[in-house]
Amino acid sequence: TQLLEQSPQFLSIQEGENLTVYCNSSSVFSSLQWYRQEPGEGPVLLVTVVTGGEVKKLKRLTFQFGDARKDSSLHITAAQPGDTGLYLCAGAQYSGAGSYQLTFGKGTKLSVIP
Amino acid sequence: DSGVTQTPKHLITATGQRVTLRCSPRSGDLSVYWYQQSLDQGLQFLIQYYNGEERAKGNILERFSAQQFPDLHSELNLSSLELGDSALYFCASSVGPGRDADTQYFGPGTRLTVL
Repeated sequence: TQLLEQSPQFLSIQEGENLTVYCNSSSVFSSLQWYRQEPGEGPVLLVTVVTGGEVKKLKRLTFQFGDARKDSSLHITAAQPGDTGLYLCAGAQYSGAGSYQLTFGKGTKLSVIP
Repeated sequence: DSGVTQTPKHLITATGQRVTLRCSPRSGDLSVYWYQQSLDQGLQFLIQYYNGEERAKGNILERFSAQQFPDLHSELNLSSLELGDSALYFCASSVGPGRDADTQYFGPGTRLTVL
């Protein structure tokens, strides 16, 4: 059973459209991170949300952390071909000895068609 | 470029063999994390080291082991390899011991193919 469920798994849209990616869990996380990964490269951190209900904006990307800190969403406005990639959410949970462990969702593969 | 380096980029080997993957963290980072990424399981945390000591353990098989050296580089050893071990292996590093909001910087990965 995947701890973090991401949906949709695949998304193909036209340039200029809006989209939302969801990250859901039955577990509570102390923080939630969103990453973007391009083929042949490692994930790159986009944002970290820490407080329940928190909303962060990064240009055309809006990230929201659920009030109960169990879910999150990523909304992209007016998608561009440069937004194409694999979007991963990751929740942090305490693993002991002062460290937190990241659990990743399986990702949403986004293709933006020009 | 994240500043994290991993070698080799690609590795092709046979079942039953043993391989070593190497990671150099960003300058100043004390924590190193190892992850495995496969198509069916996604990105899975394996193990974390902080300043030379094991800090956290995830879904790491007993056939796998890791260590962090005094110069802070890390090696992941995979032995008795099976076909199912074929995957991308990522190393990440962070400054701190792994606090909940710490930023992890990922390397470019090593693609392991077991034939």
